[in-house]
This record gives sequence, C-alpha cells and structure tokens, in this order.
Amino acid sequence: SQTIHQWPATLVQPVGSPLSLECTVEGTSNPNLYWYRQAAGRGLQLLFYSVGIGQISSEVPQNLSASRPQDRQFILSSKKLLLSDSGFYLCAWSYGRVTDTQYFGPGTRLTVL
Amino acid sequence: QKEVEQNSGPLSVPEGAIASLNCTYSDRVSQSFFWYRQYSGKSPELIMSIYSNGDKEDGRFTAQLNKASQYVSLLIRDSQPSDSATYLCAVIYADSGNYQLIWGAGTKLIIKP
Repeated sequence: SQTIHQWPATLVQPVGSPLSLECTVEGTSNPNLYWYRQAAGRGLQLLFYSVGIGQISSEVPQNLSASRPQDRQFILSSKKLLLSDSGFYLCAWSYGRVTDTQYFGPGTRLTVL
Repeated sequence: QKEVEQNSGPLSVPEGAIASLNCTYSDRVSQSFFWYRQYSGKSPELIMSIYSNGDKEDGRFTAQLNKASQYVSLLIRDSQPSDSATYLCAVIYADSGNYQLIWGAGTKLIIKP
C-alpha cells in the first residue's frame, strides 16, 4: 500500500528565516506530487505540482519554491519567510493521470512570528 | 473563472439524522468530482469520488451528481458525532486537454448528540 510522509509536523520560524519542508511517498513509482497551503479557516491553495523528477509547475507567485530531486521526494523551500507564509502545508500524491484522486500527507503546521 | 461553491456552515444536524452537503460548480466542462473530510487540525481524507450522473453509495455515504444542474451532493445517513468535520468538495475541469482541480472552501458539519 502507499504511504505519504511529511516532516516536520509543526514548525515555528521567525520572519526572514529559511524554510525546508519535505514530503516522501512510499509504495508507488512516478507519482504526481502536489504542495498545498491552507490558511486558517480557508480552503486549499495549490502552490506547486510535479509530474516527474525536476519537473515543477508553480501555480501562484510567491517567495516559495519547490524541488523534486528524487522520484518520490518533494521539497518546499523558502529563502526568507514572511508572516503571510503561516499556514497548514499539505503534500499530496496521485497516480499519473490528472483525473486521479489525490491523497494527502499528515501536513506541517507552520507559524511565522 | 472556474469556481466551486460550498456553504461554509456550520451545518448542525442531530445525531441519527441525514446530513446533506451541497456543492455547485461553475463550468459544464467538468469530469471528476470528489468529497473529502477534514477533521480540525488534520489533513483531508477521501470519502468518495463520482464521475457519472446519479447516485453512488458507500456505506452511510451517498454522493449525488447532477451535471445538468451543475451540483454534487453528499448525504450522510445515521449521522454520528464522529462525522463532525469540514467537508471539502473538489472538481476536475477539463478544457482543451488542460486539467485543473478546483477546491471548494468546505462546509463545517456539526453532529449534535
């Protein structure tokens, strides 16, 4: 069966500090991978998605970036965090077809102070 | 602009009753429809997907899709306090070979014992 991991679970960072969140998927190969952000009481905002190693599509302009160094590893980064970067960051995976169901990891709660 | 609309709630339903959650979407060019449940502080988990007009049942859950009227519903029979959560609707739009998954902001459901 497939499993998706995210770490850390919670993170408190000062404004201007860097960020690195990691997501890994087990039990499948060549998945589509996604990074979402959910602000408090709000819906899901797609940040990045990837259909393969090194292939990243950005959905919204921001100070975040994503990388996919390995088939089942997806990393979300920032060089300098803003207060507005606070939120619940979710990684998700799906099979290769764009119409397939997305399955979410446990998420990372980020607070920028 | 493609949209997915949900009443934010909260929707309060007595235990044992039927909870009815609705979702409307803006574009007829849509293929796949998903209902997710999200407990407070947790990541979304898939309840059901539906692709064709009509009803799809899975245990106490029934998804209803009406493409002509552009809505998809989720019925929860014999509601339990453990069903209290936010329910997210997601729609995949397909337009000239481009696919886009659009999320609703969710409906908060409260089941009262």
